Amino acid sequence: RKEVEQDPGPFNVPEGATVAFNCTYSNSASQSFFWYRQDCRKEPKLLMSVYSSGNEDGRFTAQLNRASQYISLLIRDSKLSDSATYLCAGASGSARQLTFGSGTQLTVLP
Amino acid sequence: NAGVMQNPRHLVRRRGQEARLRCSPMKGHSHVYWYRQLPEEGLKFMVYLQKENIIDESGMPKERFSAEFPKEGPSILRIQQVVRGDSAAYFCASSPRRLQDRGTDSPLHFGNGTRLTVT
Repeated sequence: RKEVEQDPGPFNVPEGATVAFNCTYSNSASQSFFWYRQDCRKEPKLLMSVYSSGNEDGRFTAQLNRASQYISLLIRDSKLSDSATYLCAGASGSARQLTFGSGTQLTVLP
Repeated sequence: NAGVMQNPRHLVRRRGQEARLRCSPMKGHSHVYWYRQLPEEGLKFMVYLQKENIIDESGMPKERFSAEFPKEGPSILRIQQVVRGDSAAYFCASSPRRLQDRGTDSPLHFGNGTRLTVT
């Protein structure tokens, strides 16, 4: 089983829609999680950090469910510019590197 | 404050040649990570280095691949005798502290990558 797994996608949604991605992790010792955004053929950029019970930043909300070992990303009122690949990443307390999921592709349609 | 700088952006090598990828971390960052991304796949960790030390190379292939981060100058990822399967995007990331010591800011700052094509 992969250490970090994501919804395979792709997700195609109309503008203004709400879309949610999930990411499960297998290492119960994982403590920190992050969502990155990657545009085609470019470098990943941090979208949100997810600590303890999650957090919100504008239209984006990240949640952590330790009991079920998953994190989620909710995007409300999606924009065309939200089209990208979304990568989740996790690290355990003793980790020396981030482990990334394979990414979920989102396309927001006009 | 310049970000993580990688060069070259694109590198074409014939099978059997050597590829050298360079990464200059952000100013003040002493922790460097190399990741590889194959087409249509996620980022795979390769190696984590601090100045003059390899801390974790658990993701690095045992043969043909090596990495260094000298006291002066950029980090170098070296691939000897490249094969077509080495074609990928190689991303470098840096951090001012260890992941275990992170704060709530971005744990890793990525460079714009080197796209290696082996013909």
